[in-house]
Amino acid sequence: SQTIHQWPATLVQPVGSPLSLECTVEGTSNPNLYWYRQAAGRGLQLLFYSVGIGQISSEVPQNLSASRPQDRQFILSSKKLLLSDSGFYLCAWSAPDRLYGYTFGSGTRLTVV
Amino acid sequence: QKEVEQDPGPLSVPEGAIVSLNCTYSNSAFQYFMWYRQYSRKGPELLMYTYSSGNKEDGRFTAQVDKSSKYISLFIRDSQPSDSATYLCAMSSTYGNNRLAFGKGNQVVVIP
Repeated sequence: SQTIHQWPATLVQPVGSPLSLECTVEGTSNPNLYWYRQAAGRGLQLLFYSVGIGQISSEVPQNLSASRPQDRQFILSSKKLLLSDSGFYLCAWSAPDRLYGYTFGSGTRLTVV
Repeated sequence: QKEVEQDPGPLSVPEGAIVSLNCTYSNSAFQYFMWYRQYSRKGPELLMYTYSSGNKEDGRFTAQVDKSSKYISLFIRDSQPSDSATYLCAMSSTYGNNRLAFGKGNQVVVIP
């Protein structure tokens, strides 16, 4: 069966520090991968998605970036965090031909102080 | 107009009551309609999905889609305290690279 791992679960970082969140998927190949941010009252905001290694599409211009160095690994990064980067970050995957939903990771609660 | 509208207002109901949630949407190309359940500090999990119009039942949960009105609903019968969570609607079409459009989510509290 397929599983998705996301870590860390919680993170407190000072303003201006770098960020690296990692997500890996097991039990499938060539998944579509997604990074979302969820802020209170704002719902899920798609940040990046990837349909293959090295293929990254950005939805929202910001100081975050994403990379997909391996087929089942998706990394969210920032060189310098802002206070506004605080939020709940979720990684998700879907099969390329599956139109009825994603499977989400357990999320990372990021607080920038 | 946003693609998907979901009133995020919290909903409190007594245990055993019927919970009714709904979303409206503007994109007539949507064909797949999903409901996710999200417990506090957890990732969303797929609860149900339907294709095109009609009803789908799974235990105490019923999903309805009315494409003519661009309106979807989720009903929870005999609600339990364990149903307390945020419920998000989501939808997709065969276009748009398998991307989902989400509602903002509806927080439900079932009071014992």
